[in-house]
Amino acid sequence: AQSVTQLDSHVSVSEGTPVLLRCNYSSSYSPSLFWYVQHPNKGLQLLLKYTSAATLVKGINGFEAEFKKSETSFHLTKPSAHMSDAAEYFCVVRNTGFQKLVFGTGTRLLVSP
Amino acid sequence: DTAVSQTPKYLVTQMGNDKSIKCEQNLGHDTMYWYKQDSKKFLKIMFSYNNKELIINETVPNRFSPKSPDKAHLNLHINSLELGDSAVYFCASSFGTGNRGNEKLFFGSGTQLSVL
Repeated sequence: AQSVTQLDSHVSVSEGTPVLLRCNYSSSYSPSLFWYVQHPNKGLQLLLKYTSAATLVKGINGFEAEFKKSETSFHLTKPSAHMSDAAEYFCVVRNTGFQKLVFGTGTRLLVSP
Repeated sequence: DTAVSQTPKYLVTQMGNDKSIKCEQNLGHDTMYWYKQDSKKFLKIMFSYNNKELIINETVPNRFSPKSPDKAHLNLHINSLELGDSAVYFCASSFGTGNRGNEKLFFGSGTQLSVL
């Protein structure tokens, strides 16, 4: 079965400092991995996706994520947090050949001035 | 200009009532979805339609019945509402499904259902 574990329910950073949101996946096959962001009272928006091409994936708003097969991880990073980054972030997995996306439980990013 | 729009935004109702949530997308996508997000923000797929055909039907009570009159619309009807149905319901759409498609989902802004 495929699944993702987001290790932190909340992450707090100061504006201008780096962001690290952790995600570990479990998959029997070659997975596709995604990060989605949900701002308050909004639907989810795709940040970036990994589909077995380059292991370092760049997304929108300065975010990037690195696929590490040996660690079964797909952590999301950003060099410098902005107040507008405060939101809920979801790590998502899909196994090749399967139609269903499986969402993690989410990490709330809090950014203080 | 809203890409995926769902109505109503808020729905407050009594236990036992029947209610519907409507969803429309103007992106030309051929696949639409209903997701349920619980109070802990856990997001789980309920249904998916591709070109009006049901392709994903998760373990959902049969009180929930999706209907897709055309590929731009996917409505969700809920019979005999229960307290546990309280959640935010998100509609989404995409091109294609799985390997044959694009996993970039476009989400509506959600319908917050409160069952009293």
